[in-house]
Amino acid sequence: NAGVTQTPKFQVLKTGQSMTLQCAQDMNHNSMYWYRQDPGMGLRLIYYSASEGTTDKGEVPNGYNVSRLNKREFSLRLESAAPSQTSVYFCASRPGSYNSPLHFGNGTRLTVT
Amino acid sequence: AQSVAQPEDQVNVAEGNPLTVKCTYSVSGNPYLFWYVQYPNRGLQFLLKYITGDNLVKGSYGFEAEFNKSQTSFHLKKPSALVSDSALYFCAVRDMDSNYQLIWGAGTKLIIKP
Repeated sequence: NAGVTQTPKFQVLKTGQSMTLQCAQDMNHNSMYWYRQDPGMGLRLIYYSASEGTTDKGEVPNGYNVSRLNKREFSLRLESAAPSQTSVYFCASRPGSYNSPLHFGNGTRLTVT
Repeated sequence: AQSVAQPEDQVNVAEGNPLTVKCTYSVSGNPYLFWYVQYPNRGLQFLLKYITGDNLVKGSYGFEAEFNKSQTSFHLKKPSALVSDSALYFCAVRDMDSNYQLIWGAGTKLIIKP
């Protein structure tokens, strides 16, 4: 049981380049999330998808887009990377209940130069 | 606005001693509180949650947390620390104003010394 799988693990971009972070879960969860983690700031929600076919903005959506491709996959796209987007990105999923635990991937460490 | 605070950036404890990692919150209505742990280069893992009921919540790896409504706190505790407990710990609260998403504390680094 793989859980939540994120690719790539590491990425270095130059300012203005684009890329897509991939996330897939094999637990048949309805809801999926993208967070960024910066030192001393905890986790901040970028976008989430409460169910297949829906996406919503979180706390820090600017500069990002998402696609819920199907129930398993939720991708995060940076159209024009900026140094402020240097961060560790985590994908998470949960079954459906707001109080059920989140299951996290191991993260993507992104550096934008 | 709802918020959660972890007042200590780092907590140092000797192995075998009890540990406490502090969390305070500010919410309107009933709080829904969570603790997660993050080991190096890994994603967060769920430890325990308080939704309602008993103020002492037991979770994974021997951890427990005490909900105190009057002090608006939800401190994480363990009676006897292990070196393997060294990690980053996050407290989170359900935000009723933002479609029930989680608001996260900044994290507390727990270091257990042999």
